[in-house]
Amino acid sequence: QVQLQESGPGLVKPSETLSLTCTVSGGYIISYYWTWIRQPPGKGLEWIGNIYYSGSTNYNPSLNSRVTMSIDTSKNQFSLKLSSVTAADTAVYFCARVSNTVSMFAFDMWGQGTMVAVSP
Amino acid sequence: DIQMTQSPSSVSASVGDRVTITCRASRSINNYLVWYQQKPGTAPKLLIYAASSLQSGVPSRFSGSGSGTGFTLTIRSLQPEDFATYYCQQADSFPLTFGGGTKVEIK
Repeated sequence: QVQLQESGPGLVKPSETLSLTCTVSGGYIISYYWTWIRQPPGKGLEWIGNIYYSGSTNYNPSLNSRVTMSIDTSKNQFSLKLSSVTAADTAVYFCARVSNTVSMFAFDMWGQGTMVAVSP
Repeated sequence: DIQMTQSPSSVSASVGDRVTITCRASRSINNYLVWYQQKPGTAPKLLIYAASSLQSGVPSRFSGSGSGTGFTLTIRSLQPEDFATYYCQQADSFPLTFGGGTKVEIK
């Protein structure tokens, strides 16, 4: 069974860069799109962006200039960097897999999520 | 961006009730609509894709319908484990966007 696990600091200072990694186990990272989604406390879901195993990316324009995603197929990992963070970036960050059995961007496997707080 | 609007934002229901949640897109998304269920402290779970196709392993009491700009998620006979928040998501174009969520609470 495929499992996803987010890792990274739980506290980031304002203006610094948030860095998270998602490790995929029990399956291959190849031939899938992978995504990052976040959820501020008590609020709804926001799509941050996708990365394909080839390295091609799509980002949410609302975050575009601050987001960088990368993938390491040899380690079965993909990563998120969000620069110049503010308190508005405080959220639970989820990594997820885009299903390759349906012809649309639907997320069929998710990590448990990791809370990242932006605070001095 | 395509705006997704869910209603109601919350609903109180009893076990055995039929519950219907509506999701409206700001422009046509054909059938590129996905539904998720999220319980407190956990990640969302994929329920329905392509507006009406049930994800493997999801109970048949869940069903989806709609096309274009209007969609519904129906839970035929609410079970205790169905009390959760439900989100719709459009998969028609980037940026992918979600509805604001509908919380199904115990009456």
